[in-house]
Amino acid sequence: NAGVTQTPKFQVLKTGQSMTLQCAQDMNHEYMSWYRQDPGMGLRLIHYSVGAGITDQGEVPNGYNVSRSTTEDFPLRLLSAAPSQTSVYFCASRLLRGPDGELFFGEGSRLTVL
Amino acid sequence: TQLLEQSPQFLSIQEGENLTVYCNSSSVFSSLQWYRQEPGEGPVLLVTVVTGGEVKKLKRLTFQFGDARKDSSLHITAAQTGDTGLYLCAGAKRIRGSQGNLIFGKGTKLSVKP
Repeated sequence: NAGVTQTPKFQVLKTGQSMTLQCAQDMNHEYMSWYRQDPGMGLRLIHYSVGAGITDQGEVPNGYNVSRSTTEDFPLRLLSAAPSQTSVYFCASRLLRGPDGELFFGEGSRLTVL
Repeated sequence: TQLLEQSPQFLSIQEGENLTVYCNSSSVFSSLQWYRQEPGEGPVLLVTVVTGGEVKKLKRLTFQFGDARKDSSLHITAAQTGDTGLYLCAGAKRIRGSQGNLIFGKGTKLSVKP
């Protein structure tokens, strides 16, 4: 009964380093997405995917890359970390492409960039 | 661009009091969802409202979708300490055919004191 699994839960990076946040879901969901949550800013969409091989940009995509080679996995890559990317990152998935279905969230990955 | 305005941002009340959280927009949504988030966890869906004017009740929580499908409210009757958390509204926007994303409000942090 895993649902959406994110790793790592915590990470500290230095400015300029790169890293990948992993996200996996075992519910055969078509749609997967990454949000970042900052104090006073709510959840903002970074990138999303409506199926394997298909990705698209959200509201705040700059500095992030994604790929979707399988239905289950949707990693988020930070190419050259900046202090402005310090945030809590959430991966979320839902069954279908349409926006009205329930989003299932992972527990979050807290990233600090020094 | 923040399409959903949520108010109040913070709310601190005593156990037994009633409260209302508002979610307003100038945009029309195909549906509106309310999530609740505990510290260190991802948001969890409380309810989805789809039809303009719809009212849904979940025990002591009452959710309403505006007639024009642009706004929503969450009313809690006789709040309990277990209601403490971050409440997020999210509007569903269709972008291409059947595809779409959720736009989140900034959240209302509710603290219920014993």
